[in-house]
Amino acid sequence: DIQMTQSPSTLSASVGDRVTITCRASQNIDHWLAWYQQKPGKAPKLLISKASNLETGVPSRFSGSGSETEFTLTISSLQPDDFATYFCQQYNYLYTFGQGTKLEIK
Amino acid sequence: QVTLRESGPALVKPTQTLTLTCTVSGFSLSTSKVCVSWLRQPPGKALEWLGRIDWDDATYYSTSLETKITISKDSSKNQVSLTVTNMDPVDTATYYCARSLGVAAGFDSWGQGTLVTVSS
Repeated sequence: DIQMTQSPSTLSASVGDRVTITCRASQNIDHWLAWYQQKPGKAPKLLISKASNLETGVPSRFSGSGSETEFTLTISSLQPDDFATYFCQQYNYLYTFGQGTKLEIK
Repeated sequence: QVTLRESGPALVKPTQTLTLTCTVSGFSLSTSKVCVSWLRQPPGKALEWLGRIDWDDATYYSTSLETKITISKDSSKNQVSLTVTNMDPVDTATYYCARSLGVAAGFDSWGQGTLVTVSS
């Protein structure tokens, strides 16, 4: 099975900060990676697919990059609504999620 | 508007079989490239993919759970079902159904989730 490792597990930041979350795959997944945002008690929301394709309606402050085994999610200027948990997910072969990054208010 | 809604028991006893239903609207389960997956999330933990059924009735399961899980669909009723046998307290989780369009795609629409607790 493909393993996905996210870091950090918790990130404290302030409104206006630029933040980056990293996701590493245990083997080459090309660009078959998605990022999700999840708020407490809610289902995940798809933000980015194919490593860097922003979903319709997702603010442009979100961006994704990477390929093969190393990927990043960047939020260019944090807004109050962005404090949530973020998951990466590979879909190169079946599906595996990272363990999540909780983005907290500093 | 695309919606998915999970339904089923909130509490099951150990060793029992769980059956959940995902009722969809706004799209057809028979349309080419439509796939519906079941996922779960134990409280405070990460998401786990359980399995998927495709528009052509092909099914795929998590290798770690393939002996416990069965997914089926009734396109005429717009429903996808998940059966999990021999439930254990470690199976306590919020269960989600989610749609993907194509076999290489993220999950673009999700149900609200249903919490299932396994306890005697």
